[in-house]
Amino acid sequence: EADIYQTPRYLVIGTGKKITLECSQTMGHDKMYWYQQDPGMELHLIHYSYGVNSTEKGDLSSESTVSRIRTEHFPLTLESARPSHTSQYLCASSELGSTNEKLFFGSGTQLSVL
Amino acid sequence: QQPVQSPQAVILREGEDAVINCSSSKALYSVHWYRQKHGEAPVFLMILLKGGEQKGHEKISASFNEKKQQSSLYLTASQLSYSGTYFCGTEAGANNLFFGTGTRLTVIP
Repeated sequence: EADIYQTPRYLVIGTGKKITLECSQTMGHDKMYWYQQDPGMELHLIHYSYGVNSTEKGDLSSESTVSRIRTEHFPLTLESARPSHTSQYLCASSELGSTNEKLFFGSGTQLSVL
Repeated sequence: QQPVQSPQAVILREGEDAVINCSSSKALYSVHWYRQKHGEAPVFLMILLKGGEQKGHEKISASFNEKKQQSSLYLTASQLSYSGTYFCGTEAGANNLFFGTGTRLTVIP
């Protein structure tokens, strides 16, 4: 059902590398989110966007950055990856951004930094 | 500020029932429920928008008590496909959600 895509699905990289996690949705949703989730743990909001040229930090501090140049695209970048960044990153979107509507999640990117 | 879920984990045999609770220290205006299977994305189950509301989804239903600042998810006659981690989500401001600590449900034959 969900038309929200994340690539890559898995990524193993060395410390210090710059990486970009891709997230795209074809539903025309204005609001998009990035959540970070450690194994078996809750989801923490790290970034969100209300629309093009809008980016905000979430409740969990993150060294990553995001951009929103196009409605459908919300990439997340780590300039210099560290082992502490190892986690699953989930992208999500909602149509209007109200908490009265559901979130659509992508399948996630499992990042391992060695 | 994140909601607290209980129990943390539960194991059921097929056909048994379970209740998962979600409590918040702040006023609730809506509650979301999602299920996440291992290695997959969370999938939306339902939203409850006002106190006293109850909703059902097949044999999964939920209630929302805004005065008690809590919601409960009811799984009846559980099936193997119900296994996964269940998360509640509550409003965190800026129209974002705080997700709960999760309840891992395992259904065995």
